[in-house]
Amino acid sequence: QSALTQPASVSGSPGQSITISCSGTSSDVGAFTYVSWYQQHPDKAPRLIIFDVSNRPSGVSNRFSGSKSGNTASLTISGLQAEDEANYYCNSYTSTNTWVFGGGTKLTVL
Amino acid sequence: QVQLLQSGGTVKKPGASVKVSCQASGYSFISFGITWVRQAPGQGLEWMGWISVNNGITNYAQKFQGRVAMTTDASTSTAYMELRNLKSDDTAVYYCARVSPNFDFWGQGTLVTVSS
Repeated sequence: QSALTQPASVSGSPGQSITISCSGTSSDVGAFTYVSWYQQHPDKAPRLIIFDVSNRPSGVSNRFSGSKSGNTASLTISGLQAEDEANYYCNSYTSTNTWVFGGGTKLTVL
Repeated sequence: QVQLLQSGGTVKKPGASVKVSCQASGYSFISFGITWVRQAPGQGLEWMGWISVNNGITNYAQKFQGRVAMTTDASTSTAYMELRNLKSDDTAVYYCARVSPNFDFWGQGTLVTVSS
């Protein structure tokens, strides 16, 4: 199972919006609604911020939103804040009853 | 509140085995699965496998099949991940997470260093 494809890095200024893409196949992202996103700050455990493509867990800011079209999922962060600077990973359930992560995207807030 | 508490970091020699524990609290342990994810230094997250606590069924990433074993002890609400025949590139932080089926709660991570 190959890793999902994410851009290595994205950047934006405070207040702007950015979008991170996550490209998979018809056997993972395209086949299931179990697509999730995780935020990871340095030396911290990952934190779930989007589940089932577009749902936010309790306590996650509504500045985070998710969507999916075909085999590609996307995470959008609006109103960028300094605290959003982190690594972001997408994840999908697959047709072989496994999960697969994306390679990760480093977000820099300029 | 849901918590997953992992065992402490350890150093192992190449060829040895390591067993990492993950004790759950704050929820019904048998109602959710447990997954294991690792992160090598400076690298991304890598999914290793998962175990259905309810029936003990496991599914491992192809890369680790034959070398990993995931088990649980419902009496202590603890999950275990054993990795055998360690190599230097197994040096990583190993995380457990609850499967809901998203990975909604994570342990703090366990650093396993493989060095001669």
